[in-house]
Amino acid sequence: GAGVSQTPSNKVTEKGKYVELRCDPISGHTALYWYRQSLGQGPEFLIYFQGTGAADDSGLPNDRFFAVRPEGSVSTLKIQRTERGDSAVYLCASSFIGSGELFFGEGSRLTVL
Amino acid sequence: AQKVTQAQTEISVVEKEDVTLDCVYETRDTTYYLFWYKQPPSGELVFLIRRNSFDEQNEISGRYSWNFQKSTSSFNFTITASQVVDSAVYFCALKDSGAGSYQLTFGKGTKLSVIP
Repeated sequence: GAGVSQTPSNKVTEKGKYVELRCDPISGHTALYWYRQSLGQGPEFLIYFQGTGAADDSGLPNDRFFAVRPEGSVSTLKIQRTERGDSAVYLCASSFIGSGELFFGEGSRLTVL
Repeated sequence: AQKVTQAQTEISVVEKEDVTLDCVYETRDTTYYLFWYKQPPSGELVFLIRRNSFDEQNEISGRYSWNFQKSTSSFNFTITASQVVDSAVYFCALKDSGAGSYQLTFGKGTKLSVIP
């Protein structure tokens, strides 16, 4: 499809495990964002990519979280040593640079047992 | 620090009623953008509108209208003649318009249920 694609849609893992969440943005969008949404809350900013580089990673909660976008398109959010508090929906969005209109994917729901 | 407050956690209306969703924001920035997004049950946030802090004109798009009041730091959203398809969670968001600012600060959302 033409929208932002996120995989997996659901991921259940055990505490301490490593997780990767993938985002395939809209073709041509050079800006890519990751947000995290906990139950009953609004999305919270994690990281922003402009092309291949992370222009702003100030929202990453700690060093267990890392994201890459090696070719300026697909991005992977990596979470090491997962904790129960990491359980949330991880949302990816893309846009043209400078545009305030973000296009969001349907999210990856992470559950850490 | 930026903050967006959506005091209404949940609202239920009967179809065809008008409904207003409130949004109050706090920012020390002199220029900024305000947004509304819709999140249907599928989970995908859908962009509805962006408003620049310089532009206080109200906007109407079909059954949707937005009232921006800089003096009260509010950016309220009204749906006229609500329909069942309007049922969703609605988020108000704020972004600094300065160079190097990329983050949207979202409110907690208002869940709207339109009852047939």
